[in-house]
Amino acid sequence: GAVVSQHPSRVICKSGTSVKIECRSLDFQATTMFWYRQFPKQSLMLMATSNEGSKATYEQGVEKDKFLINHASLTLSTLTVTSAHPEDSSFYICSARRPRRGNEQFFGPGTRLTVL
Amino acid sequence: AQSVTQLDSHVSVSEGTPVLLRCNYSSSYSPSLFWYVQHPNKGLQLLLKYTSAATLVKGINGFEAEFKKSETSFHLTKPSAHMSDAAEYFCVVSPYNNNDMRFGAGTRLTVKP
Repeated sequence: GAVVSQHPSRVICKSGTSVKIECRSLDFQATTMFWYRQFPKQSLMLMATSNEGSKATYEQGVEKDKFLINHASLTLSTLTVTSAHPEDSSFYICSARRPRRGNEQFFGPGTRLTVL
Repeated sequence: AQSVTQLDSHVSVSEGTPVLLRCNYSSSYSPSLFWYVQHPNKGLQLLLKYTSAATLVKGINGFEAEFKKSETSFHLTKPSAHMSDAAEYFCVVSPYNNNDMRFGAGTRLTVKP
């Protein structure tokens, strides 16, 4: 199956700093990637849809200025959490949609963000 | 609009006994339905998916699910639970182009020896 990677897998940062998380599709080109957030013992919530070469589409309630998404190439999308606060601590998961072949989404392993 | 409801937040079974994880969906069009499994601190693994072909879908690790349109259900089953099946399971609905996947709240499966 298709492989999606995330980097880093785990990051700890101080309050007020910015953190960048990378999502890569390793063996296919993804015009669309998705970013999800998962709080402990809860389900995944879609944050935004990232489209290559255009602006991301954010879900209601997600601050676009706080969660910056860049989809600069067909294999890479980045999520930058700006001015992080402890309440931003969460598990962030990306997925990449493989065009054709059923448009299936493939999920990355996730990034655990802890803001001190 | 589309959504899924996982009817049990926690299911506990004994090893070797059947597993039933329930999922009901709501969709204004013919949906695609998925079951994913997530082990602690791990990413999501696709167990199986329904995309308007056969209503009984067989997945990995002995899991299967049946799409019942009349009941708007997509319950996940396995004849005999294994200790390694203990994990969180998510039922997911999306439109045909998979552009908008909506996750259920999840069901935590515990397997007792």
